[in-house]
Amino acid sequence: QQQVKQSPQSLIVQKGGIPIINCAYENTAFDYFPWYQQFPGKGPALLIAIRPDVSEKKEGRFTISFNKSAKQFSLHIMDSQPGDSATYFCAATGAQKLVFGQGTRLTINP
Amino acid sequence: KAGVTQTPRYLIKTRGQQVTLSCSPISGHRSVSWYQQTPGQGLQFLFEYFSETQRNKGNFPGRFSGRQFSNSRSEMNVSTLELGDSALYLCASSLEGLILFFGSGTQLSVL
Repeated sequence: QQQVKQSPQSLIVQKGGIPIINCAYENTAFDYFPWYQQFPGKGPALLIAIRPDVSEKKEGRFTISFNKSAKQFSLHIMDSQPGDSATYFCAATGAQKLVFGQGTRLTINP
Repeated sequence: KAGVTQTPRYLIKTRGQQVTLSCSPISGHRSVSWYQQTPGQGLQFLFEYFSETQRNKGNFPGRFSGRQFSNSRSEMNVSTLELGDSALYLCASSLEGLILFFGSGTQLSVL
């Protein structure tokens, strides 16, 4: 019940494409869903986050889509760039618990 | 505001030794969490401290321990090092444990 399942493990997309990373959770006590971006040699950094009362949130080229009934959420990157190549982690928090997905290594080819 | 500072940045130890890693959180943050990151294993939660008390603990053996000081600085200790302990150890601070701000980590190599 504490797990967050993230897919795919790795993803390669051409520049300008729209990579999509999916996450699913079980625990209905989770009430905040952040995404973290990690570049090599750095710690993860908060990218964008959503609460379950909203179905979509956009920040620049990054969009989270949230499906509360299915307990799923996803990250879309519009007009992807080589600089977006990084590892992305979804997470779910609630009741003083924070659980991370397993991460997706994204590569954007020029 | 200064970010989360972890020291040292790199560390090489041999099996059986012990190691202490240090983390200075963002000023005002009272929660400090520690994670182990290895290729293919994602972020494995070690423990979280809040106001000097361990609030949450992951599924790691007792060789892994931590503490938090009154100024919110935290240390993590690993005793009797094993080869499998080689990893990037990340510290993260937050106001109340929800939105984490990570340091750049300590890369530990056990030979």
